[in-house]
Amino acid sequence: NAGVTQTPKFQVLKTGQSMTLQCAQDMNHNSMYWYRQDPGMGLRLIYYSASEGTTDKGEVPNGYNVSRLNKREFSLRLESAAPSQTSVYFCASRGTGPNSPLHFGNGTRLTVT
Amino acid sequence: AQSVTQPDIHITVSEGASLELRCNYSYGATPYLFWYVQSPGQGLQLLLKYFSGDTLVQGIKGFEAEFKRSQSSFNLRKPSVHWSDAAEYFCAVGPQNSGYSTLTFGKGTMLLVSP
Repeated sequence: NAGVTQTPKFQVLKTGQSMTLQCAQDMNHNSMYWYRQDPGMGLRLIYYSASEGTTDKGEVPNGYNVSRLNKREFSLRLESAAPSQTSVYFCASRGTGPNSPLHFGNGTRLTVT
Repeated sequence: AQSVTQPDIHITVSEGASLELRCNYSYGATPYLFWYVQSPGQGLQLLLKYFSGDTLVQGIKGFEAEFKRSQSSFNLRKPSVHWSDAAEYFCAVGPQNSGYSTLTFGKGTMLLVSP
């Protein structure tokens, strides 16, 4: 059981370049999330998708776009990367019901120079 | 707005000693409360959660946490720490019945275990 899979694991971009972070889950979960983790800041929600076909902004959405391609996949796109987007990005998913916990991927470490 | 404070950035504990990691939250009603653990290079793993009922909750890996409404706290405890417990621990709070879109994480406490 793979759970939540993120690709790539590491990425270096130059300022202004674009890229898409991929996330897929095999647990048939409805909800999926993108967080960023910065030292001393904890995790902050970028975007989330409560169900296939819907997406909503989180706490720090500026500079990002997302696509819920289908129930399994939720991608995060940086159209024009900035050094402030250097971070570790985590995708998570959860099933329905209040007792369903968040399941996290292993993260993508992104550096923007 | 809800908030979470983990007062200790780093804690060092001797192997075999007891552990308590502090978490204080700010929220107007009874929230959902969580503790997650993150090992280096890994995502976050749920240790335990509190939704309602018994204020002492048991989790995986021998951890427990106690919800104290009067102190707005949800401290994590373990009676005897193992070297494999060295990791970063995150407390999180969210309002009941609103989904995880409004889950707020603390800034984390790094646990170091000395021999």
